[in-house]
Amino acid sequence: DGGITQSPKYLFRKEGQNVTLSCEQNLNHDAMYWYRQDPGQGLRLIYYSQIVNDFQKGDIAEGYSVSREKKESFPLTVTSAQKNPTAFYLCASSTHSGRGYNEQFFGPGTRLTVL
Amino acid sequence: AQRVTQPEKLLSVFKGAPVELKCNYSYSGSPELFWYVQYSRQRLQLLLRHISRESIKGFTADLNKGETSFHLKKPFAQEEDSAMYYCALDQTGFQKLVFGTGTRLLVSP
Repeated sequence: DGGITQSPKYLFRKEGQNVTLSCEQNLNHDAMYWYRQDPGQGLRLIYYSQIVNDFQKGDIAEGYSVSREKKESFPLTVTSAQKNPTAFYLCASSTHSGRGYNEQFFGPGTRLTVL
Repeated sequence: AQRVTQPEKLLSVFKGAPVELKCNYSYSGSPELFWYVQYSRQRLQLLLRHISRESIKGFTADLNKGETSFHLKKPFAQEEDSAMYYCALDQTGFQKLVFGTGTRLLVSP
């Protein structure tokens, strides 16, 4: 593996604390994404970024924030406003190779547990 | 709203049996559909995309616009096919994917 990395693999935080999850890619991809994966709910899009210094909310952005200062990096902050932050978080990236042909490459994920 | 439905949480078959993982979608535009797969202890990865009309690892999927379906099929399942399968819809053409809830395929010897 390689290409897109997430750290740490497991993360524990106390309720009320903000926490930042790291996502880095060396694939030279323009677009990056954050998903949340919960049992029985599949993957839900939190935020995505098509280009550096720009990002858009996904379907469940409340309680999360992101930044895209570098092409390679797309960190996700889970704030204390997120009511149910315990979940498995997946980062992905893609390049635009034509409508219908774009493929998202996924990282290994970070499991966040809020105690 | 765009939606992808995978009605089966678990599909259990014996080796050599045919497999069909169901996927239905709701989308008013021209859909771009994908199947992603996650094998045990591996990352989620693309299996196939409808626009390529390809067969990957013996799997095929045909887009049926009349039935708004994109079912994944394989004539003879293998044990190594056991995995979690997700159907996904690209709703904008910019890879803003909507995923189904996934189907776990278990192939027994």
